[in-house]
Amino acid sequence: SQELEQSPQSLIVQEGKNLTINCTSSKTLYGLYWYKQKYGEGLIFLMMLQKGGEEKSHEKITAKLDEKKQQSSLHITASQPSHAGIYLCGAAPARDDKIIFGKGTRLHILP
Amino acid sequence: GAGVSQSPSNKVTEKGKDVELRCDPISGHTALYWYRQRLGQGLEFLIYFQGNSAPDKSGLPSDRFSAERTGESVSTLTIQRTQQEDSAVYLCASSLRSKGGYGYTFGSGTRLTVV
Repeated sequence: SQELEQSPQSLIVQEGKNLTINCTSSKTLYGLYWYKQKYGEGLIFLMMLQKGGEEKSHEKITAKLDEKKQQSSLHITASQPSHAGIYLCGAAPARDDKIIFGKGTRLHILP
Repeated sequence: GAGVSQSPSNKVTEKGKDVELRCDPISGHTALYWYRQRLGQGLEFLIYFQGNSAPDKSGLPSDRFSAERTGESVSTLTIQRTQQEDSAVYLCASSLRSKGGYGYTFGSGTRLTVV
């Protein structure tokens, strides 16, 4: 079965600094999804990557998928307190398959 | 509705009691998913409904857990004889699967506490 590893598990960053979160799949995937969860709340869809080498950006958040479609990185530029939360990557092995999630990365932003 | 609605938002129950959690997906979304998130953990897949196909129950942790969905409407997750290890946030999501590859829209979850 497909497994996802996220690193780091936890991250504390000074406001204004850049940071990167990684997600590695044990198998080639169909789609890679990034979600954000505010503490105690539901999940917010950030972006989906499907093509090898694909890169997408939303405001100060950029996500990339490697050519082999097994690794993705999420990069935040000039972090702000609003970026704090839990970032979860999810992967679907096939087009109509369920998404399996990693354990998440807890991001804290220091003012 | 505009989003995925879950009820109740919070549920405290005594060990051994049965509980029902409800999920109302976005209208027109053919796929519906249940996940469980224990404190400080990631999302654990429970069950997946896709249209009229047989549900994927591969994530249900024991036979105390069951879920139903009628057509493309409301789903109910039932936990019988609750145990303390069932305490978690139960998240429901729906998606428009006909075109494949869409992200899910999640509800705010039901926080279940078994005492």
